[in-house]
Amino acid sequence: DQQVKQNSPSLSVQEGRISILNCDYTNSMFDYFLWYKKYPAEGPTFLISISSIKDKNEDGRFTVFLNKSAKHLSLHIVPSQPGDSAVYFCAATAGGTSYGKLTFGQGTILTVHP
Amino acid sequence: ETGVTQTPRHLVMGMTNKKSLKCEQHLGHNAMYWYKQSAKKPLELMFVYSLEERVENNSVPSRFSPECPNSSHLFLHLHTLQPEDSALYLCASSQVLKNEKLFFGSGTQLSVL
Repeated sequence: DQQVKQNSPSLSVQEGRISILNCDYTNSMFDYFLWYKKYPAEGPTFLISISSIKDKNEDGRFTVFLNKSAKHLSLHIVPSQPGDSAVYFCAATAGGTSYGKLTFGQGTILTVHP
Repeated sequence: ETGVTQTPRHLVMGMTNKKSLKCEQHLGHNAMYWYKQSAKKPLELMFVYSLEERVENNSVPSRFSPECPNSSHLFLHLHTLQPEDSALYLCASSQVLKNEKLFFGSGTQLSVL
């Protein structure tokens, strides 16, 4: 039973345009969400996060939107750059005693074409 | 060196071998984690250590044996593995146990023949 799903295995975008990566979750106990980026032969690196008390968090070109009623979050990258080409993982965690235990999605491969 | 370092980067082993994966973090963090990523599957949490004490074993088979001798080092001892254990094994650390912002190493790509 996959609690965090990224239904698009891949996304291709032109440089300068917007990239939108989507993530759905089923566990209503999740209250903190993160996006990680992974380049080949490297470990995932933290990109941006959002708490369930917010519906939007912005950091430079990256914005994460959270729709709790739909159990959906999205990552917007504007403008997209070729260096953004990577695998993007959505992750979620519940509060309380979850020890920062993250539940990950399968990842979406983003390719930004020059 | 900075960050989280994992060795070896690649490992091929037979089902009767015993090997160990090593992880070292230079960030002064107190919590360390082992994650597994199988082909076309999400990252799965295996073990969590906080201040050298194991706080979670996520139903991992006993052929995987973690060890945390101090807050900077984490090992994963492997013995009598199965071909389906072939995967990317990622180590991560966080400042404290409940900090969700994890710092990952580059991983060990394990192949079991």
